[in-house]
Amino acid sequence: RKEVEQDPGPFNVPEGATVAFNCTYSNSASQSFFWYRQDCRKEPKLLMSVYSSGNEDGRFTAQLNRASQYISLLIRDSKLSDSATYLCVVNQGGKLIFGQGTELSVKP
Amino acid sequence: NAGVTQTPKFQVLKTGQSMTLQCAQDMNHNSMYWYRQDPGMGLRLIYYSASEGTTDKGEVPNGYNVSRLNKREFSLRLESAAPSQTSVYFCASRDHDRVAYEQYFGPGTRLTVT
Repeated sequence: RKEVEQDPGPFNVPEGATVAFNCTYSNSASQSFFWYRQDCRKEPKLLMSVYSSGNEDGRFTAQLNRASQYISLLIRDSKLSDSATYLCVVNQGGKLIFGQGTELSVKP
Repeated sequence: NAGVTQTPKFQVLKTGQSMTLQCAQDMNHNSMYWYRQDPGMGLRLIYYSASEGTTDKGEVPNGYNVSRLNKREFSLRLESAAPSQTSVYFCASRDHDRVAYEQYFGPGTRLTVT
């Protein structure tokens, strides 16, 4: 079983749609959690950290359920510029463990 | 402020050749990392350096060596390249003092081994 698993997609959605990405992790001792964004053939960049209480940054909402070892990312009112691969990332003892990424394509 | 820079951007090697991938950061970060990214797989940690003078193995260290030359520079060496090392290689750095565990990535090196 992979340490961090994501639905690879791709997710093809129209502009304005709401889309949700899910991620599960296997190590219950994982300490902190993140979503990174990676544009085609570019480097990953931090999108947002994920807190147990849930956190929101504009159109993006991240949730963490430690009991279920589950992380989610919700994007509301999708824009063309949201098209990218979204990486679920878990911090285990100071090392980042990356999921394989979920590809999102937002169409006009 | 260039952030994290990597050279070269592209490289083609023949099996058995050696090369060194260079990485430098100008953010005065303590920790530096080397990852590889293959299609359908997440980034996998090759080696990391928590501070100048220290290096540790990550998930996939076989076939690689690293040098933390100083606080700014962290190089990755392939002594005898193999086709299985065809990949995109990313270098990253992190500041221990920041609360958020953000790693800053370089633009990547696309390596093909024939």
